[in-house]
Amino acid sequence: DTGVSQDPRHKITKRGQNVTFRCDPISEHNRLYWYRQTLGQGPEFLTYFQNEAQLEKSRLLSDRFSAERPKGSFSTLEIQRTEQGDSAMYLCASSLRRGGVQETQYFGPGTRLLVL
Amino acid sequence: AQSVSQHNHHVILSEAASLELGCNYSYGGTVNLFWYVQYPGQHLQLLLKYFSGDPLVKGIKGFEAEFIKSKFSFNLRKPSVQWSDTAEYFCAVTPNFGNEKLTFGTGTRLTIIP
Repeated sequence: DTGVSQDPRHKITKRGQNVTFRCDPISEHNRLYWYRQTLGQGPEFLTYFQNEAQLEKSRLLSDRFSAERPKGSFSTLEIQRTEQGDSAMYLCASSLRRGGVQETQYFGPGTRLLVL
Repeated sequence: AQSVSQHNHHVILSEAASLELGCNYSYGGTVNLFWYVQYPGQHLQLLLKYFSGDPLVKGIKGFEAEFIKSKFSFNLRKPSVQWSDTAEYFCAVTPNFGNEKLTFGTGTRLTIIP
């Protein structure tokens, strides 16, 4: 399968615990995005990378959230001291940016997080 | 900052009916526009996109959308829906330059009755 993959697909945790999600983008894609989707809403932008550089973070991303893309390939999103309000679907997308041309973002299946 | 409004939260149609889902955006500059679809149990997939040129764009599975700049709209249409079109549909926008982060609407749930 050459699409975007995410792991795990589901995560249940207790309030106060740390969780980490992984995203593997399409192999030649240099841009990687994280979005969060809550029930009844569209996905909301969290952060994005161009290769290994994190270029923008949304104000939605509190200091309990951190994302990395250490070698410009896969990315991890960590949430520390989880809160019930963090319960959501976390989506990863990737795209290929070539020069000034914008390309389509391809989405993974998401990681559904439930904080008890 | 840009925003997207989708006025129809839930649409129920019979098979073979015609479909039009509304999408309006707010942004002061040039935009790129997208419709994504999420079938039950599946991930978001691109239906169609508009970057420039002909404002009437055709996508997969017989869908099309028309960009009307004066109305800030990008409505999705299909002349005859099928039961397999049951899904959630999201309109999204990015500025024509910059980081290309997608701003989504809240989505429209489409239910097709056989």
